[in-house]
Amino acid sequence: NAGVTQTPKFRILKIGQSMTLQCTQDMNHNYMYWYRQDPGMGLKLIYYSVGAGITDKGEVPNGYNVSRSTTEDFPLRLELAAPSQTSVYFCASSRVANNNEKLFFGSGTQLSVL
Amino acid sequence: DAKTTQPPSMDCAEGRAANLPCNHSTISGNEYVYWYRQIHSQGPQYIIHGLKNNETNEMASLIITEDRKSSTLILPHATLRDTAVYYCIVRVKDSGTYKYIFGTGTRLKVLA
Repeated sequence: NAGVTQTPKFRILKIGQSMTLQCTQDMNHNYMYWYRQDPGMGLKLIYYSVGAGITDKGEVPNGYNVSRSTTEDFPLRLELAAPSQTSVYFCASSRVANNNEKLFFGSGTQLSVL
Repeated sequence: DAKTTQPPSMDCAEGRAANLPCNHSTISGNEYVYWYRQIHSQGPQYIIHGLKNNETNEMASLIITEDRKSSTLILPHATLRDTAVYYCIVRVKDSGTYKYIFGTGTRLKVLA
């Protein structure tokens, strides 16, 4: 299994541009999450999904959109990029949450908005 | 808001035990405590989790106080490769779904 795969690894955007960060997992996990991590800070939850067709906001959803059309994929969309969205973005997944489930993380996407 | 509080940084001598504390005084009865670590800017890596009993695996031990308001992650023989940021996380249940809320973590430096 490849686990959680994120693309691209690095990206530079101009202010106002849009882009989609891709995330896919091959573990048949129901739960998927998007986090952002600003320099020297912890991870903040942007959006999460408990299954195909179901998404919900996390702590910092403004400026982002997500969709979950399949179990495997959970793309994160930035419509009008702003410098405040410069961050490292991590996608994560877990099976149906129960007492012994844990998060598996991708390797991250480093995004700079200039 | 994060539901955990950790010291921002700690040092530990190589070969000694590293004891990383975490305060989670508002934890609910059915909320688990998870520990992850992040080396450089890689994706966080799972270490261990528990509810109320002490737990041990091949990486670490987790000691949870009886009132569950705090816990300690123990790396029994720290190596240079254990230098990382360690996150104590409470998994919360919100509207029927689970979310993992990260704090700012403890930056552990293992010294040769």
